[in-house]
Order: sequence, then structure tokens, then C-alpha cells
Amino acid sequence: DTEVTQTPKHLVMGMTNKKSLKCEQHMGHRAMYWYKQKAKKPPELMFVYSYEKLSINESVPSRFSPECPNSSLLNLHLHALQPEDSALYLCASSWTSGGATGELFFGEGSRLTVL
Amino acid sequence: GQQVMQIPQYQHVQEGEDFTTYCNSSTTLSNIQWYKQRPGGHPVFLIQLVKSGEVKKQKRLTFQFGEAKKNSSLHITATQTTDVGTYFCAGRNYGGSQGNLIFGKGTKLSVKP
Repeated sequence: DTEVTQTPKHLVMGMTNKKSLKCEQHMGHRAMYWYKQKAKKPPELMFVYSYEKLSINESVPSRFSPECPNSSLLNLHLHALQPEDSALYLCASSWTSGGATGELFFGEGSRLTVL
Repeated sequence: GQQVMQIPQYQHVQEGEDFTTYCNSSTTLSNIQWYKQRPGGHPVFLIQLVKSGEVKKQKRLTFQFGEAKKNSSLHITATQTTDVGTYFCAGRNYGGSQGNLIFGKGTKLSVKP
């Protein structure tokens, strides 16, 4: 199983809503990531979890709240988002987050629209 | 901060023509990775280069890492319509974690049949 699964694939929410994005991998990877990607732009790192602990937070606004319940799951809780937060949110995993690690395995993404 | 510059931003080719995208870093990289993202899709890992001067081939794709480990290129020979997508390089500094992978802005390739 070499997949990173993300749900939902599409999400439309209002600025006062609370929603969550979910990500799951069963490859035994110990690092998991959230990236944000706007149209025609590269992925932009938001958070890194290493061994279920938050290791990097790239100064992301608190309206985005990550959670790593276990080594296979990663959530991104959304609250009071702004229309400019509309983007493709990509989850990724890798074996570890340090050293000359290998590839990032990306999920298909959750396309978020904030009205 | 450290940047990875990637050119060109767009490339339109006739099927069968060659294609090259280039990445340059302001600092020496410990390694560089390449990803392909099809329209409407997600980034998919192509390759990682680690050694100075390294050259790797995957069928029609040739990847190079410069001697100074500051630049890299991806060359596609005889493009096909299946090569359409955006190609991103992503470099990592010495001592940086995987989380510090710096993505280039990507080169969007379109192939006319």
C-alpha cells in the first residue's frame, strides 16, 4: 500500500464554519506534512509532524490547527477561515523528516473553497 | 531567505521536440528532488539527486545535479502528450530537515500533438 489518502476531496465552507481535513497513510512513514497550494504556485509548507510531534510550524495562522492522533493519521482543523485561504491542501508523508530522506508521497489533496 | 529559482515558467513544445527545465539555488544544496504534477493532480516524486555532478536517467528523462550542487536540470527527449504537467524541483539545505524542502516555482509543460 503506497497511498496517502485525503478526505474530503472537495470542501466548501463559510467563514464561520468549523471543518476538518483528514489524511491517512499506512506505509509506516514517521513524518507527515501539510502543504497549501494556490493555483499556478508550488506547494507551500504549513506543518511537519515527526514521530507524531509537531516539529515545524511555518508561521501558519491559528485558524489552521493541525493534529496527529497517531502515526498513520493527520488532521487539519479549520475555523474562521478567510476567502484567501481557498486552495488545494496537500498532505504528504515520508520515512523520516531528517537527514537525506527520500521522497515525499503526496495525497490527491483536498480542494477547499471558503465563501 | 534561501530560494530555488526555476526557469522557464512555461514551455510549449510540439510533440517529439525536447524539453529542459533548470533550477538554481542561491546556496549549496544537500540534495534536490524533482516532482511532476499533472493538471488537476498532485505532485508525484520523480527522482532525488544527492552527489555532485550526478546524472540519472529514467527512459526519456535525464536529470543532472551540478558540480557545485547549486543547480539542476531535467531534460525530456522527444516529448509525448503524456509528459504534460508542471515540473517542480525541490532543494534541501545541509542540516535541514525534510520539512525545509524548498520548491521552485515550477515549469508548466504543454505538448502539442
